[in-house]
Amino acid sequence: DTEVTQTPKHLVMGMTNKKSLKCEQHMGHRAMYWYKQKAKKPPELMFVYSYEKLSINESVPSRFSPECPNSSLLNLHLHALQPEDSALYLCASSQELNTIYFGEGSWLTVV
Amino acid sequence: LAKTTQPISMDSYEGQEVNITCSHNNIATNDYITWYQQFPSQGPRFIIQGYKTKVTNEVASLFIPADRKSSTLSLPRVSLSDTAVYYCLVVQRRDDKIIFGKGTRLHILP
Repeated sequence: DTEVTQTPKHLVMGMTNKKSLKCEQHMGHRAMYWYKQKAKKPPELMFVYSYEKLSINESVPSRFSPECPNSSLLNLHLHALQPEDSALYLCASSQELNTIYFGEGSWLTVV
Repeated sequence: LAKTTQPISMDSYEGQEVNITCSHNNIATNDYITWYQQFPSQGPRFIIQGYKTKVTNEVASLFIPADRKSSTLSLPRVSLSDTAVYYCLVVQRRDDKIIFGKGTRLHILP
């Protein structure tokens, strides 16, 4: 089972809203990732958690707030976003071989 | 981090073998070469990973010369459903900073 599950699949939010994206994996992977992807561009790394601790933050604006409640769950809390933050947000997980498994993504539209 | 260079796009026909080459001149001793495939509106999917020589699985082959400064992903007898973006990544086994380059847009024609 190499499944990473992301919810919701689609989210529309206003610039003053607070919302969250959720990600779950049951493969026992130690690392979990958030990537952002705009149309026709490669995925951009945002955050990495390793053993439930934030290990990499790629200078992401504070309106994006990650959280790793346990080894299977990863959240991305969203607040005061801008229209340019509209994108596909991808969650992924990996074990030691750095083969990363991606979810299907959450499409975010900020209006 | 080793920088990778791939063709921006390629076209091929159904039934052909497709080879996509990736340059990684400053690859380090501990780096592995990994390829991902991404269809529109989906997350990237792992295809194959290798360190040196040749690796083959049910989907593709990966050829890595002795100097490891380049690698070639080979897709045998492609079909229309192989139309996708293919990313070459060079990563260390214990480095979580996994960065994607621009990738190669492969378009398979009937």
